[in-house]
Amino acid sequence: AQKITQTQPGMFVQEKEAVTLDCTYDTSDQSYGLFWYKQPSSGEMIFLIYQGSYDEQNATEGRYSLNFQKARKSANLVISASQLGDSAMYFCAMREAYNTDKLIFGTGTRLQVFP
Amino acid sequence: EPEVTQTPSHQVTQMGQEVILRCVPISNHLYFYWYRQILGQKVEFLVSFYNNEISEKSEIFDDQFSVERPDGSNFTLKIRSTKLEDSAMYFCASSENRMPTDTQYFGPGTRLTVL
Repeated sequence: AQKITQTQPGMFVQEKEAVTLDCTYDTSDQSYGLFWYKQPSSGEMIFLIYQGSYDEQNATEGRYSLNFQKARKSANLVISASQLGDSAMYFCAMREAYNTDKLIFGTGTRLQVFP
Repeated sequence: EPEVTQTPSHQVTQMGQEVILRCVPISNHLYFYWYRQILGQKVEFLVSFYNNEISEKSEIFDDQFSVERPDGSNFTLKIRSTKLEDSAMYFCASSENRMPTDTQYFGPGTRLTVL
């Protein structure tokens, strides 16, 4: 089974609108971290936002917020007031518990913002 | 703001040749990682490194791969005898600690092309 599932290969949004990128995860661990990264066409991986499994509040970082629904095992990224520069690939990733170092990535969602 | 740097940005090599990819992690970080992303695919964990030892490695990280911290700042990935299927973007990352809550910050990547 996939550990991280991103079901939207591509999304379009108009500038200044909000958009939600979906992410569901699968783990039996109680302690884990969820991360979103942005990969523009230039290729680098930019950290956006983090949510811990024990965090009761949804994480927010500027225009980014994470809609964390633990019972549904979902961690959707919400980008408010989209900008043209938000056009990129977005990856959801998870790190499980304390005995593994690796981030497990989803397949990504390509977001295109149009004027 | 401190960042992970990687050199070169693009490396072209002949099949069977050895390559060394270099990274300078963020200076106060203790944990270092290599990931790779084959074109159009998701990001995959290769190896983690702490206290001059491999902490964890994936099944991808076979005997042709090795990592080293030759001095106090550099962290290298060596591929001994490159194969066509090693063509990918290789990302170095670092984190302050090893908790699930610790963000791994990625470098800009080295695009390796094996001919």
